[in-house]
Amino acid sequence: DIVMTQTPLSLSVTPGQPASISCKSSQSLLHSVGKTYLYWYLQKPGQPPQLLIYEVSNRFSGVPDRFSGSGSGTDFTLKISRVEAEDVGVYYCMQSIHLPLTFGGGTKVEI
Amino acid sequence: QVQLQESGPGLVKPSETLSLTCTVSGGSINSDYWSWIRQPPGKGLEWIGYIYYSGSTNYNPSLKSRVTISVDTSKNQFSLKLSSVTAADTAVYYCARLADYEFDFWGQGTLVTVSS
Repeated sequence: DIVMTQTPLSLSVTPGQPASISCKSSQSLLHSVGKTYLYWYLQKPGQPPQLLIYEVSNRFSGVPDRFSGSGSGTDFTLKISRVEAEDVGVYYCMQSIHLPLTFGGGTKVEI
Repeated sequence: QVQLQESGPGLVKPSETLSLTCTVSGGSINSDYWSWIRQPPGKGLEWIGYIYYSGSTNYNPSLKSRVTISVDTSKNQFSLKLSSVTAADTAVYYCARLADYEFDFWGQGTLVTVSS
């Protein structure tokens, strides 16, 4: 199985300040077709996860542009340019290049 | 927009079979892949498996011997059965659409507790 390792485990941020979360995979997520199958989700308290970023750096429909994703191969980063109160929750990265699909352990973001 | 809703018993006895159904609305189940994911209380996410509308499936090897996912296209539903449950199977169970390679729409989740 591909192991997804997120750091930090938790993050306390001041509103308006930036935040950054790292995700490292145990194998490359780059497919031979040229796509990289790395995704970011946010799980707000009491809610299901919601898709933020697909294929490393593409924002899903309705996701604010303060969220951005970057990286390649095995190292990826989610950045929030200016954290807002509604961004609190647990962020997960996920890979879907190989079965079983696996998630990172999560990063809890608090204000 | 696609909506998903899980339903089923919230309490299952040890050694019995957990059964859940996911009803899809706002779109047809006759496309894409449909998946189950679970989350033990206070813990992370674990993919259980998925099914294509045609009936082909793929399961997480960690659960494969106990899992069956089926689809009923006439009802726009898909279902999960997990046999021989133990307390370790206590979790919130989510159904979700696997579009391309990502889960884009999720149900609200349903808590299933395994206890006698």
